[in-house]
Amino acid sequence: EDKVVQSPLSLVVHEGDTVTLNCSYEVTNFRSLLWYKQEKKAPTFLFMLTSSGIEKKSGRLSSILDKKELFSILNITATQTGDSAVYLCAVKKSGGSNYKLTFGKGTLLTVNP
Amino acid sequence: EADIYQTPRYLVIGTGKKITLECSQTMGHDKMYWYQQDPGMELHLIHYSYGVNSTEKGDLSSESTVSRIRTEHFPLTLESARPSHTSQYLCATWEVGPQGWETQYFGPGTRLLVL
Repeated sequence: EDKVVQSPLSLVVHEGDTVTLNCSYEVTNFRSLLWYKQEKKAPTFLFMLTSSGIEKKSGRLSSILDKKELFSILNITATQTGDSAVYLCAVKKSGGSNYKLTFGKGTLLTVNP
Repeated sequence: EADIYQTPRYLVIGTGKKITLECSQTMGHDKMYWYQQDPGMELHLIHYSYGVNSTEKGDLSSESTVSRIRTEHFPLTLESARPSHTSQYLCATWEVGPQGWETQYFGPGTRLLVL
């Protein structure tokens, strides 16, 4: 059975701190890993990673994938209260007709002023 | 980004009522999905469609049904709502971009409360 495990489940930090969120996975025929940010409503897309060792960056957020060790990390530097959200990791399998994602339970990040 | 619309955004309804949650998208995406998400819990895929007249059940068993008569619309119906159906329902589409880039975009969701 495919599994996506995120840790920690919950994290509370102060503004300005740097956080690292973890996502490990066990899937057959891995294709890509996606990170989403979910505030009160729908998840919004952050990154898609397919290759090992290549960092994706967007402002204070960055992510990297390790396909050998089957995990990814999402880093947020100089956190702000607006970063408070649930961060979801999802994995897509390869295959011509496979367009589904397996989601982890998410990490709830709370950034206090 | 995909433009995905869901109505209603919030619905409070009594047990036994029939309800339809609407989802529409303007990007012409073939692949559409319905997820169910309870508060603080993970997303569970309940239905998906890879095109007109194509629908499949997802990983989580659901008493709801879906239809895909037009590319733009993917409505979800509950024939007889029960309190156990109380949840957030998220509609999504799949976009494939250049060089194999692909992702799933989500609508704003419908929060359903069945009394």
